[in-house]
Amino acid sequence: EAAVTQSPRNKVAVTGGKVTLSCNQTNNHNNMYWYRQDTGHGLRLIHYSYGAGSTEKGDIPDGYKASRPSQENFSLILELATPSQTSVYFCASGDFREDTQYFGPGTRLLVL
Amino acid sequence: QQQVRQSPQSLTVWEGETAILNCSYEDSTFDYFPWYHQFPGESPALLIAIRPVSNKKEDGRFTIFFNKREKKFSLHIADSQPGDSATYFCAASGQGGRALIFGTGTTVSVSP
Repeated sequence: EAAVTQSPRNKVAVTGGKVTLSCNQTNNHNNMYWYRQDTGHGLRLIHYSYGAGSTEKGDIPDGYKASRPSQENFSLILELATPSQTSVYFCASGDFREDTQYFGPGTRLLVL
Repeated sequence: QQQVRQSPQSLTVWEGETAILNCSYEDSTFDYFPWYHQFPGESPALLIAIRPVSNKKEDGRFTIFFNKREKKFSLHIADSQPGDSATYFCAASGQGGRALIFGTGTTVSVSP
């Protein structure tokens, strides 16, 4: 069954530490996205990718890097985590032919 | 920054009533307008979507009304049920599976 999975599901990090959030999709979709969800802000786009080797900045990229080493995998990297990056992070995949995005289960990140 | 504005922030209706959620957008190149719903602790999931070639899209009790001239679209939930209680997000994107721009969400509560 096609799916988007994320790891870890929960993460506690220290300020200044490095955090890597991973996403894997078996939908064979070209496009993948990283969003963060915060109360009052909805879902905000951080980075996205149109295929292996490509990454694009979304609306709030500062403090985040992304990596798309393969069709299936898309990572979000916080080189120097800050408490303001405490949030729920969602990965999604999509195909240019149908526009629908399929979301993973989310990762709860707490930066202390 | 492209924006999608959504209102109201929260909405309470009685069982059997019609809930109306509203969104507006700015970018006239947007051509895909989905609504996602999200239940507590879960990830967003596509509910219904419309393209500007139509001004109405129905799926059971859920209907999107689209006004291209005014750049507005709305979701009507007819005969609301307690199981419809969730947060609803409108979104918009351009052609070719481009990243979605989400509204800030409407939390709908349906009282029995």
